[in-house]
Amino acid sequence: NAGVTQTPKFQVLKTGQSMTLQCAQDMNHEYMSWYRQDPGMGLRLIHYSVGAGITDQGEVPNGYNVSRSTTEDFPLRLLSAAPSQTSVYFCASSYSGDRGKAFFGQGTRLTVV
Amino acid sequence: DAKTTQPTSMDCAEGRAANLPCNHSTISGNEYVYWYRQIHSQGPQYIIHGLKNNETNEMASLIITEDRKSSTLILPHATLRDTAVYYCIVRVAKGTYKYIFGTGTRLKVLA
Repeated sequence: NAGVTQTPKFQVLKTGQSMTLQCAQDMNHEYMSWYRQDPGMGLRLIHYSVGAGITDQGEVPNGYNVSRSTTEDFPLRLLSAAPSQTSVYFCASSYSGDRGKAFFGQGTRLTVV
Repeated sequence: DAKTTQPTSMDCAEGRAANLPCNHSTISGNEYVYWYRQIHSQGPQYIIHGLKNNETNEMASLIITEDRKSSTLILPHATLRDTAVYYCIVRVAKGTYKYIFGTGTRLKVLA
């Protein structure tokens, strides 16, 4: 099993550009989530999904969109990148019977200039 | 909403036990407490979780107070590789599926 795979690992965007961060898991987990981590800070929840077709907002959802068309994939879209979105983004997945026990990807380091 | 509070940082001598506290006084009755660690800028790694009883696995032990308002993660023989940020998390509220991380405890194991 590959676990949780995030692509790309690094990305530089110009202000106003849009892009999609990819997240895929091969563990058949129903619960998936996106966090961002700013330098020296903890993780903040952006969006999460409890299953295909179901998503909800976390702590800091503004400026981001998500959708969940399959169990395996949970992409995060930045609609119009801003320097404040410079951060490391982590995707996580967990089994529906124990959502708190999550497996994390290795992160995408995004810089918006 | 339930949340957790942890000390910002701690030091521990190599080979000694590292005891990391977490306050979760607003936790609901049947909610678990989960512990993770994050080494450098890697993705967080699950360590252990518990409800009421003490738990132990190959990585750590978890002690939860009887009133469930706080817990302590114990690394029995800390090594330099245990230097990391440690997070305790709980579900924000019943009926939601949000798990909020907070800022964690930065543990430094000293040689």
